[in-house]
Amino acid sequence: GAVVSQHPSWVICKSGTSVKIECRSLDFQATTMFWYRQFPKQSLMLMATSNEGSKATYEQGVEKDKFLINHASLTLSTLTVTSAHPEDSSFYICSARDAGTGVRAFFGQGTRLTVV
Amino acid sequence: DAKTTQPPSMDCAEGRAANLPCNHSTISGNEYVYWYRQIHSQGPQYIIHGLKNNETNEMASLIITEDRKSSTLILPHATLRDTAVYYCIVRVDASNTGKLIFGQGTTLQVKP
Repeated sequence: GAVVSQHPSWVICKSGTSVKIECRSLDFQATTMFWYRQFPKQSLMLMATSNEGSKATYEQGVEKDKFLINHASLTLSTLTVTSAHPEDSSFYICSARDAGTGVRAFFGQGTRLTVV
Repeated sequence: DAKTTQPPSMDCAEGRAANLPCNHSTISGNEYVYWYRQIHSQGPQYIIHGLKNNETNEMASLIITEDRKSSTLILPHATLRDTAVYYCIVRVDASNTGKLIFGQGTTLQVKP
């Protein structure tokens, strides 16, 4: 099946710094990717939809200036958490759909962000 | 997309069939039923999906009632590695975006 890779798998950063998370579709092109956040013992919450070559669409309550999304190519989307604070510590997961084969969404392995 | 209701948790003995129910009484005619699972600290994994007919693949079977208001995911021979949170999601494929809205899911604990 299609593979979606996230990097890094985990990251620890100091409060006030920015962190970039990459999401790559390894064997297919993805015009649309999705970013989710998951707090402990909670379900995945959709943060934004990343569209190749255009601005991302953010879900209600998600600060677009804090969570910068760039989708510059058909195989790469990045999420940058700017001026991170401890409350941003979470599990961030991306997904992508292989438009060439159907509507199944494939997920990355997730990135554990800890802000200290 | 229609809302789903799942029991918060279930137990299953190793080697036995695990039957996970999902209610989606407000499902529309063009909405598919998808099942994903999430093993601890990993990204969700696709299991199976269907519209009207029952479906089977190498991982599981999906039984959808005739009125489509509920469905059951069946893991025929559960193993300890099937311990995970299972999510039932209904969505319109015609939207063609791959966007998924997750509920709380069912935590399946497979016990030796």
